[in-house]
Amino acid sequence: GAVVSQHPSRVICKSGTSVKIECRSLDFQATTMFWYRQFPKQSLMLMATSNEGSKATYEQGVEKDKFLINHASLTLSTLTVTSAHPEDSSFYICSARGGSWNTEAFFGQGTRLTVV
Amino acid sequence: SQELEQSPQSLIVQEGKNLTINCTSSKTLYGLYWYKQKYGEGLIFLMMLQKGGEEKSHEKITAKLDEKKQQSSLHITASQPSHAGIYLCGADININSGYALNFGKGTSLLVTP
Repeated sequence: GAVVSQHPSRVICKSGTSVKIECRSLDFQATTMFWYRQFPKQSLMLMATSNEGSKATYEQGVEKDKFLINHASLTLSTLTVTSAHPEDSSFYICSARGGSWNTEAFFGQGTRLTVV
Repeated sequence: SQELEQSPQSLIVQEGKNLTINCTSSKTLYGLYWYKQKYGEGLIFLMMLQKGGEEKSHEKITAKLDEKKQQSSLHITASQPSHAGIYLCGADININSGYALNFGKGTSLLVTP
């Protein structure tokens, strides 16, 4: 299947700093990319959807100024956690689709963010 | 919003035994996905079901979607330690910018020797 690469896999940062997570579709053009957050032993919570060249659509309760999403090209989306705090520590996963709904979504390997 | 209920939440089976995981939707499903996740890793696509009564198999894993398209089951035959992980069912939900996958809470599977 198609490959989605997410980087970094792990990051530790100090409170107040910003962290950028990259999500790349390696062998297909991702018309839409999704960002999820996963708490321990819980399911994936959709944070936002990004379409190439347009502003991301955030789910209710997700602060867009806190979690900046940029979908600069058909193969790259980035999530920046700004002014990170310990409560932002979590597992973040991106996914990408080359088509519309009812098509397979490919997932990155995830990023474990720890804010100290 | 569409909610997906998975059962059981966790499962411990002995190697070689069969098992079934269920996924129930509060609304009609227009596409049901099964993924597997190892803790702390990304999701691996298993199968997608779209039609009522559809059944798909891959190696020792079989997934079915009922005729009413509100319930799906994932069946593993002769389980092996490599089957251990978290199984997630997902369905497309309508969001402002199109469709996104929404997931159930997952079923944690442990296969013991």
